[in-house]
Amino acid sequence: IAGITQAPTSQILAAGRRMTLRCTQDMRHNAMYWYRQDLGLGLRLIHYSNTAGTTGKGEVPDGYSVSRANTDDFPLTLASAVPSQTSVYFCASGPGTGGNEQFFGPGTRLTVL
Amino acid sequence: GQNIDQPTEMTATEGAIVQINCTYQTSGFNGLFWYQQHAGEAPTFLSYNVLDGLEEKGRFSSFLSRSKGYSYLLLKELQMKDSASYLCAVRDVSGGYNKLIFGAGTRLAVHP
Repeated sequence: IAGITQAPTSQILAAGRRMTLRCTQDMRHNAMYWYRQDLGLGLRLIHYSNTAGTTGKGEVPDGYSVSRANTDDFPLTLASAVPSQTSVYFCASGPGTGGNEQFFGPGTRLTVL
Repeated sequence: GQNIDQPTEMTATEGAIVQINCTYQTSGFNGLFWYQQHAGEAPTFLSYNVLDGLEEKGRFSSFLSRSKGYSYLLLKELQMKDSASYLCAVRDVSGGYNKLIFGAGTRLAVHP
């Protein structure tokens, strides 16, 4: 692995289903983030983690949960997907504890029908 | 509140110079980033300003005026590959945690 990876690349999901988006980084960055990107709205922070074992809510956390069991992994879970969660999801990581330069994964395109 | 404004779209000619402006209002400003994002790809870091003035990096330069809440990204000797969205992001330290607040992005189209 080099950098930051996300899986799946894309997914079509029925409303009401549970879905976990995976994110892994090998840069030993302390901080990790989940954003969603929607046309005309830019990147919006869903959840963040400043270090393994801690998480926090961003701007749009409702309907999403995260965990940070170790430094490398930061999965994002949609417990019961709704059509408004159709978006492109980007995971990012960065050195330090937030707000520094961030390195983005390739994104997951999620469609909820 | 927090607000970041940048133009939605711009067009320019190959070889020319283009300036993309960004204005912001935030209660806990602590630096400004510019990212480039090609269609269907992830954003990639371009520049960072925390002090007033101009930061130059090859064909790209970024300027910051904290008193005016204003930044611009200057792209010189435009190439076709510069066609992309350019995202202005402010580092904000209010609310108990450091975070980046992104503008909606400026889509730049470079024409021959």
